[in-house]
Amino acid sequence: GNSVTQMEGPVTLSEEAFLTINCTYTATGYPSLFWYVQYPGEGLQLLLKATKADDKGSNKGFEATYRKETTSFHLEKGSVQVSDSAVYFCALRAQGGSEKLVFGKGTKLTVNP
Amino acid sequence: DAGITQSPRYKITETGRQVTLMCHQTWSHSYMFWYRQDLGHGLRLIYYSAAADITDKGEVSDGYVVSRSKTENFPLTLESATRSQTSVYFCASSIQGLGAFFGQGTRLTVV
Repeated sequence: GNSVTQMEGPVTLSEEAFLTINCTYTATGYPSLFWYVQYPGEGLQLLLKATKADDKGSNKGFEATYRKETTSFHLEKGSVQVSDSAVYFCALRAQGGSEKLVFGKGTKLTVNP
Repeated sequence: DAGITQSPRYKITETGRQVTLMCHQTWSHSYMFWYRQDLGHGLRLIYYSAAADITDKGEVSDGYVVSRSKTENFPLTLESATRSQTSVYFCASSIQGLGAFFGQGTRLTVV
């Protein structure tokens, strides 16, 4: 079946550090890939997405590139801020199926001043 | 306000009681979902609906019931609450190709 594996947290960084959160997936064909962010006490918000191989999603300084050859969609940001502290979820939507999302377990990021 | 609204935000109930969590969206999105979030498991799909009167089970549907008589509402009912159903529940809606939009969540405690 379809699945998403993302790096275990928690991740703790200093402000302005470089961020990478790894995400790999298992799915047939060409799923769509997403990163969601959850701030404390809130629901999930869509951060970025990519719908086909080699697409790069970007938003708020975050980027992720859909790599079919490595079945990966790693999240990166060049310089994190304290306000980026949150839980980040990688997710996939199967090709040609319903709009159901399959989520990874989430990675908690804490950014210290 | 436009968007997706869940109620209540917090609920404490006793084992064996029936509980209904409400979800309302104002976008007229065709798809709606219920997920539960538990530490170490991420989000797991309970039920989803592709349109009014069309629902289907997700991976953790045992003990839950849903209905969708109107496009904008998607209530989730725990028929006889158990302690293992203590969780944070998220409702979401989506329209094809856009990704899902989530409510603020309902924190349910079963004692």
